[in-house]
Amino acid sequence: DGGITQSPKYLFRKEGQNVTLSCEQNLNHDAMYWYRQDPGQGLRLIYYSQIVNDFQKGDIAEGYSVSREKKESFPLTVTSAQKNPTAFYLCASHQGRAKNIQYFGAGTRLSVL
Amino acid sequence: DAKTTQPPSMDCAEGRAANLPCNHSTISGNEYVYWYRQIHSQGPQYIIHGLKNNETNEMASLIITEDRKSSTLILPHATLRDTAVYYCIVRVGVTGGGNKLTFGTGTQLKVEL
Repeated sequence: DGGITQSPKYLFRKEGQNVTLSCEQNLNHDAMYWYRQDPGQGLRLIYYSQIVNDFQKGDIAEGYSVSREKKESFPLTVTSAQKNPTAFYLCASHQGRAKNIQYFGAGTRLSVL
Repeated sequence: DAKTTQPPSMDCAEGRAANLPCNHSTISGNEYVYWYRQIHSQGPQYIIHGLKNNETNEMASLIITEDRKSSTLILPHATLRDTAVYYCIVRVGVTGGGNKLTFGTGTQLKVEL
């Protein structure tokens, strides 16, 4: 089936550790996005990529890094510089130019040990 | 992007129509109204979008006032599975600025027996 796959579903990070969240899509979408969601809050944009080998910072990029080496993949690394990483992370991809319809993965819940 | 205002919560009896309002009084002429929903601990799901005319699909109907300053999402026969947070988003319809979607806190719809 076509869609967006995020893994793992749950992730635990130790102090000072970098962790990487995976996001893979087989929808042939050019644009991909990473959002962060805190309890009871809306989504905030971390990074986005409109094309392979290119990405831009969103509203809360500090402490995060991304890469876009393949069209299908947009991994997010939560670095040790991110002091409050506990949140629900959502990856999305964009359907096309004329519509702002984004398709979301099931999310990764990150907690700090 | 225009700011939207939604009630924090609403209740609806199963089988009845759920009418979710959204105010977007500062919307500009080229901005579309999008609706997404997020079932607990899942990724958001696109529902419907519109510019000026009323729209209907298999999930819902979207009614936009003539002055475009407000809209209503209608779920014609709500079921327990429609319990979710519903987000109203206003965004320009063409690619630009990374197609960032600004998710506020939305409306928590609770469908009850």
